Amino acid sequence: EAGVTQFPSHSVIEKGQTVTLRCDPISGHDNLYWYRRVMGKEIKFLLHFVKESKQDESGMPNNRFLAERTGGTYSTLKVQPAELEDSGVYFCASRGEFNTGELFFGEGSRLTVL
Amino acid sequence: GENVEQHPSTLSVQEGDSAVIKCTYSDSASNYFPWYKQELGKRPQLIIDIRSNVGEKKDQRIAVTLNKTAKHFSLHITETQPEDSAVYFCAATGIGTSYGKLTFGQGTILTVHP
Repeated sequence: EAGVTQFPSHSVIEKGQTVTLRCDPISGHDNLYWYRRVMGKEIKFLLHFVKESKQDESGMPNNRFLAERTGGTYSTLKVQPAELEDSGVYFCASRGEFNTGELFFGEGSRLTVL
Repeated sequence: GENVEQHPSTLSVQEGDSAVIKCTYSDSASNYFPWYKQELGKRPQLIIDIRSNVGEKKDQRIAVTLNKTAKHFSLHITETQPEDSAVYFCAATGIGTSYGKLTFGQGTILTVHP
């Protein structure tokens, strides 16, 4: 069974540019999460999808971040325009429908904004 | 919201020694506490977890203890091996709709010297 996959693994962009990160969850997992780890600090929650609906987006930093999950399969996280403080590792995670299911993480997309 | 503090930030031990990482949490409603291990460049992986109705859980060389009254939980690794070297994260969350919205500690870099 394929795990959670993320693309790209590393992106280097200039301040003001746009970047789109993609996450493919484990097949059949309704719950999809985005997390971010900035500069060696703790991993922080960004948002949670249940199928195609946003269940909780309380962790999104500001309106420069847009997450979508059309069709309830893969998800994208767009940063536009990117700022220096957006640099970090963006993790996607997924789990099945049951509330006690394990959260499976992807390997992360490292974003560097210059 | 929930706040999780993790100590120490770095831990260096000799192979065969024990390692202990401690976390405290602030929200008494939290009732699920997973521990993740992240090797360099890899995805965070769940290594053990504990629910609030249990005080201790063990899986081979790894054990976790939970003190609900004091709101702290700890990871214990015995007979450490070089392959245990990684970053370890504790986390806390509640069961139900917020499950999966993990609040992480800052991480502990564990180095096991041969």
